[in-house]
Amino acid sequence: EVQLLESGGGLVQPGGSLRLSCAASGFTFNSYAMSWVRQAPGKGLEWVSAISGAGTGTYYADSAKGRFIISRDNSKNTLYLQMDSLRAEDTAVYYCAKVGSGGYYGSGSYFQDWGQGTLVTVSS
Amino acid sequence: ENVLTQSPGTLSLSPGERATLSCRASQSITNSYLAWYQQKPGQAPRLLIYGASIRATGIPDRFSGSGSGTDFTLTVSRLEPEDFALYYCHQYATSPPLPFGGGTKVEIK
Repeated sequence: EVQLLESGGGLVQPGGSLRLSCAASGFTFNSYAMSWVRQAPGKGLEWVSAISGAGTGTYYADSAKGRFIISRDNSKNTLYLQMDSLRAEDTAVYYCAKVGSGGYYGSGSYFQDWGQGTLVTVSS
Repeated sequence: ENVLTQSPGTLSLSPGERATLSCRASQSITNSYLAWYQQKPGQAPRLLIYGASIRATGIPDRFSGSGSGTDFTLTVSRLEPEDFALYYCHQYATSPPLPFGGGTKVEIK
């Protein structure tokens, strides 16, 4: 059974930083691209970032470019999202998701399995 | 930009009834790369359908997806109590992916 467990969320001041983690189990982690999708309170889903299975390709939404860095440690079966220069509009539940297209990320990559999410609140 | 418009915004139905949800794209979606997700309050989204019509693992056969090009439909043949939720469509033909649809809430009448 695929399990994705996010952690690292919390309250942070505007301009601050936070590092999210997603511990994966139940599948061959390095064989799958992974992604972060967020949901602001009461709002819809927004794709944030993705990374290929080998970690060699990274992809970002415009809202995340230059501020967020996605990475993975395949030896630890863990996905990360380093978030810097946080803004109030980054307040959301952040979900990690296993991509259904294998190690490749791109056209044809849907979100097959989701974690339960971790809440990030950016406020002074 | 290819925008996904879901309708209706809210669907009020009774258990046992048929639900028909629409997702319309402003441009044709390549390879029918259209997925549907279900989300219940306080829970993560769950993949229901991908490739416009392929049920994900473990999804009951009362859920079906259809459509191509710009018009797609999610049908729940007979609503069970656990099916009352929010439903999002999403096109993944492009990289990076474009925004999710705005969602349809299926509520108990």
